[in-house]
Amino acid sequence: QQPVQSPQAVILREGEDAVINCSSSKALYSVHWYRQKHGEAPVFLMILLKGGEQKGHEKISASFNEKKQQSSLYLTASQLSYSGTYFCGTGSNTGNQFYFGTGTSLTVIP
Amino acid sequence: NAGVTQTPKFQVLKTGQSMTLQCAQDMNHEYMSWYRQDPGMGLRLIHYSVGAGITDQGEVPNGYNVSRSTTEDFPLRLLSAAPSQTSVYFCASSYSARANYGYTFGSGTRLTVV
Repeated sequence: QQPVQSPQAVILREGEDAVINCSSSKALYSVHWYRQKHGEAPVFLMILLKGGEQKGHEKISASFNEKKQQSSLYLTASQLSYSGTYFCGTGSNTGNQFYFGTGTSLTVIP
Repeated sequence: NAGVTQTPKFQVLKTGQSMTLQCAQDMNHEYMSWYRQDPGMGLRLIHYSVGAGITDQGEVPNGYNVSRSTTEDFPLRLLSAAPSQTSVYFCASSYSARANYGYTFGSGTRLTVV
Protein backbone atom coordinates (compact mmCIF):
# COMPACT_ATOMS: atom_id res chain seq x y z
CA GLN A 1 0.00 0.00 0.00
CA GLN A 2 2.85 2.34 0.85
CA PRO A 3 4.18 4.31 -2.14
CA VAL A 4 7.82 3.82 -3.01
CA GLN A 5 10.12 6.81 -3.29
CA SER A 6 13.44 7.13 -5.06
CA PRO A 7 16.15 7.93 -4.43
CA GLN A 8 16.30 7.12 -0.72
CA ALA A 9 18.86 9.85 -0.14
CA VAL A 10 20.53 12.59 -2.13
CA ILE A 11 23.23 15.14 -1.37
CA LEU A 12 23.35 18.36 -3.36
CA ARG A 13 25.48 21.45 -3.44
CA GLU A 14 23.69 24.76 -3.23
CA GLY A 15 22.31 25.72 -6.61
CA GLU A 16 22.00 22.17 -7.94
CA ASP A 17 18.73 20.55 -9.00
CA ALA A 18 17.08 17.36 -7.75
CA VAL A 19 14.15 15.13 -8.69
CA ILE A 20 12.34 12.89 -6.22
CA ASN A 21 10.05 10.21 -7.56
CA CYS A 22 7.02 8.58 -6.00
CA SER A 23 5.29 5.52 -7.45
CA SER A 24 2.35 3.43 -6.34
CA SER A 25 1.06 -0.03 -7.19
CA LYS A 26 -2.51 1.23 -6.77
CA ALA A 27 -4.45 3.83 -8.71
CA LEU A 28 -3.83 7.32 -7.39
CA TYR A 29 -6.60 9.77 -6.63
CA SER A 30 -4.38 12.49 -5.32
CA VAL A 31 -0.72 13.01 -4.49
CA HIS A 32 0.57 15.14 -1.63
CA TRP A 33 4.12 16.26 -0.97
CA TYR A 34 5.52 17.07 2.50
CA ARG A 35 8.87 18.13 3.90
CA GLN A 36 10.08 17.20 7.37
CA LYS A 37 13.02 18.90 9.03
CA HIS A 38 14.98 16.90 11.58
CA GLY A 39 13.09 16.62 14.87
CA GLU A 40 10.02 18.41 13.51
CA ALA A 41 6.63 17.46 12.12
CA PRO A 42 6.03 17.07 8.38
CA VAL A 43 4.83 20.23 6.65
CA PHE A 44 2.47 20.21 3.68
CA LEU A 45 4.01 21.50 0.43
CA MET A 46 1.44 20.87 -2.27
CA ILE A 47 -1.27 18.60 -3.58
CA LEU A 48 -1.97 17.36 -7.09
CA LEU A 49 -5.46 16.17 -7.79
CA LYS A 50 -5.54 15.32 -11.44
CA GLY A 51 -3.44 13.39 -13.86
CA GLY A 52 -1.20 15.65 -15.88
CA GLU A 53 -1.37 18.37 -13.27
CA GLN A 54 1.75 20.31 -12.46
CA LYS A 55 2.01 22.62 -9.54
CA GLY A 56 4.33 24.66 -7.43
CA HIS A 57 6.36 27.81 -7.68
CA GLU A 58 9.53 28.40 -9.61
CA LYS A 59 11.89 26.59 -7.29
CA ILE A 60 9.78 23.64 -6.05
CA SER A 61 7.23 22.02 -8.32
CA ALA A 62 5.63 18.65 -8.89
CA SER A 63 3.95 16.64 -11.59
CA PHE A 64 1.42 13.81 -11.50
CA ASN A 65 1.27 11.08 -14.14
CA GLU A 66 -1.97 9.27 -13.37
CA LYS A 67 -1.47 6.58 -16.03
CA LYS A 68 1.92 5.59 -14.70
CA GLN A 69 0.74 6.03 -11.09
CA GLN A 70 3.71 8.26 -10.46
CA SER A 71 4.52 11.70 -9.21
CA SER A 72 7.77 13.63 -9.22
CA LEU A 73 8.96 16.55 -7.09
CA TYR A 74 11.40 18.97 -8.73
CA LEU A 75 13.71 21.16 -6.69
CA THR A 76 15.68 23.67 -8.72
CA ALA A 77 18.59 25.88 -7.67
CA SER A 78 18.53 24.24 -4.24
CA GLN A 79 19.06 26.26 -1.09
CA LEU A 80 20.36 25.15 2.32
CA SER A 81 16.81 25.51 3.66
CA TYR A 82 15.64 22.73 1.33
CA SER A 83 17.39 20.11 3.46
CA GLY A 84 15.06 17.60 5.08
CA THR A 85 13.13 14.45 4.36
CA TYR A 86 10.52 14.61 1.62
CA PHE A 87 7.45 12.40 1.67
CA CYS A 88 4.82 11.81 -0.92
CA GLY A 89 1.39 10.71 0.20
CA THR A 90 -1.44 9.09 -1.70
CA GLY A 91 -5.12 8.60 -1.13
CA SER A 92 -7.92 7.07 -3.13
CA ASN A 93 -11.41 8.21 -3.96
CA THR A 94 -12.87 4.91 -2.75
CA GLY A 95 -11.32 4.70 0.68
CA ASN A 96 -10.34 6.92 3.55
CA GLN A 97 -6.87 5.58 4.18
CA PHE A 98 -3.94 7.77 3.30
CA TYR A 99 -0.45 6.36 2.87
CA PHE A 100 2.88 8.09 3.01
CA GLY A 101 5.89 7.07 0.99
CA THR A 102 9.11 5.75 2.40
CA GLY A 103 10.76 9.17 2.34
CA THR A 104 13.75 10.76 0.59
CA SER A 105 16.47 12.42 2.63
CA LEU A 106 17.76 15.55 0.91
CA THR A 107 20.90 17.29 2.15
CA VAL A 108 22.06 20.56 0.63
CA ILE A 109 25.65 21.52 1.39
CA PRO A 110 27.38 24.85 0.76
CA ASN B 1 -5.17 29.41 15.97
CA ALA B 2 -3.31 26.51 17.59
CA GLY B 3 -3.72 23.94 14.77
CA VAL B 4 -3.05 20.40 16.01
CA THR B 5 -1.92 20.02 19.60
CA GLN B 6 -0.31 16.81 20.82
CA THR B 7 0.60 15.94 24.38
CA PRO B 8 2.89 14.81 25.87
CA LYS B 9 5.98 15.60 23.78
CA PHE B 10 8.07 12.89 25.44
CA GLN B 11 7.14 9.79 27.42
CA VAL B 12 8.96 6.80 28.86
CA LEU B 13 6.87 3.76 29.73
CA LYS B 14 7.64 0.42 31.24
CA THR B 15 6.59 -2.72 29.38
CA GLY B 16 2.97 -3.52 30.17
CA GLN B 17 1.96 -0.02 31.20
CA SER B 18 -0.88 1.77 29.43
CA MET B 19 -1.17 5.39 28.45
CA THR B 20 -3.11 7.80 26.27
CA LEU B 21 -1.59 10.16 23.74
CA GLN B 22 -3.74 13.24 23.36
CA CYS B 23 -4.52 15.02 20.10
CA ALA B 24 -6.75 18.06 19.65
CA GLN B 25 -7.41 20.31 16.66
CA ASP B 26 -9.26 23.61 16.50
CA MET B 27 -9.74 23.85 12.73
CA ASN B 28 -13.05 21.96 12.57
CA HIS B 29 -11.36 19.28 10.50
CA GLU B 30 -13.44 16.27 9.60
CA TYR B 31 -10.57 13.82 9.24
CA MET B 32 -8.05 12.90 11.95
CA SER B 33 -5.41 10.19 11.99
CA TRP B 34 -2.51 8.74 13.92
CA TYR B 35 0.82 7.75 12.39
CA ARG B 36 3.94 6.24 13.81
CA GLN B 37 7.34 7.05 12.40
CA ASP B 38 10.24 4.65 12.65
CA PRO B 39 13.68 4.99 11.02
CA GLY B 40 13.59 3.81 7.41
CA MET B 41 9.85 3.05 7.55
CA GLY B 42 8.37 6.43 6.82
CA LEU B 43 4.98 7.23 8.35
CA ARG B 44 2.63 4.31 8.93
CA LEU B 45 -1.07 4.75 9.54
CA ILE B 46 -2.35 3.37 12.85
CA HIS B 47 -5.99 4.50 13.05
CA TYR B 48 -8.10 7.20 11.49
CA SER B 49 -11.46 8.89 11.88
CA VAL B 50 -13.73 10.52 9.33
CA GLY B 51 -15.91 12.23 11.92
CA ALA B 52 -17.14 12.10 15.49
CA GLY B 53 -18.14 8.57 16.43
CA ILE B 54 -16.47 6.99 13.39
CA THR B 55 -13.06 5.32 13.52
CA ASP B 56 -11.27 2.67 11.51
CA GLN B 57 -7.99 0.79 11.40
CA GLY B 58 -4.96 1.64 9.36
CA GLU B 59 -1.90 -0.44 8.46
CA VAL B 60 -0.57 -1.10 11.96
CA PRO B 61 -3.49 -0.99 14.47
CA ASN B 62 -2.50 -3.84 16.80
CA GLY B 63 -1.91 -2.71 20.38
CA TYR B 64 -3.69 0.62 19.92
CA ASN B 65 -7.22 1.88 20.48
CA VAL B 66 -8.87 5.13 19.45
CA SER B 67 -12.14 6.90 19.96
CA ARG B 68 -13.60 10.14 18.69
CA SER B 69 -16.36 11.52 20.84
CA THR B 70 -15.97 15.10 19.55
CA THR B 71 -14.81 16.68 16.31
CA GLU B 72 -11.84 18.23 18.11
CA ASP B 73 -10.29 15.30 20.01
CA PHE B 74 -8.78 12.03 18.85
CA PRO B 75 -6.83 10.26 21.62
CA LEU B 76 -4.66 7.20 20.99
CA ARG B 77 -4.49 4.57 23.72
CA LEU B 78 -1.70 2.09 24.18
CA LEU B 79 -3.25 -0.85 25.97
CA SER B 80 -0.14 -2.68 27.21
CA ALA B 81 3.05 -1.05 26.04
CA ALA B 82 5.72 -3.17 24.33
CA PRO B 83 9.28 -2.20 23.29
CA SER B 84 8.16 -2.54 19.64
CA GLN B 85 5.94 0.49 20.22
CA THR B 86 8.94 2.71 20.80
CA SER B 87 8.47 5.31 18.09
CA VAL B 88 7.55 8.88 17.28
CA TYR B 89 3.80 9.34 17.03
CA PHE B 90 2.15 12.03 14.94
CA CYS B 91 -1.46 13.09 14.88
CA ALA B 92 -2.63 14.68 11.62
CA SER B 93 -5.88 16.26 10.55
CA SER B 94 -7.46 17.38 7.31
CA TYR B 95 -10.55 19.28 6.24
CA SER B 96 -11.81 16.30 4.26
CA ALA B 97 -11.43 12.51 4.35
CA ARG B 98 -11.11 12.41 0.57
CA ALA B 99 -7.42 13.36 0.53
CA ASN B 100 -8.11 16.45 -1.56
CA TYR B 101 -6.83 18.77 1.17
CA GLY B 102 -3.45 18.87 2.83
CA TYR B 103 -2.77 17.43 6.26
CA THR B 104 -1.78 19.45 9.30
CA PHE B 105 0.46 17.59 11.74
CA GLY B 106 0.92 17.92 15.45
CA SER B 107 4.45 18.33 16.81
CA GLY B 108 4.73 14.65 17.71
CA THR B 109 5.18 12.47 20.79
CA ARG B 110 8.45 10.62 21.26
CA LEU B 111 7.64 7.42 23.13
CA THR B 112 10.19 5.02 24.60
CA VAL B 113 9.11 1.69 26.07
CA VAL B 114 11.68 0.00 28.29
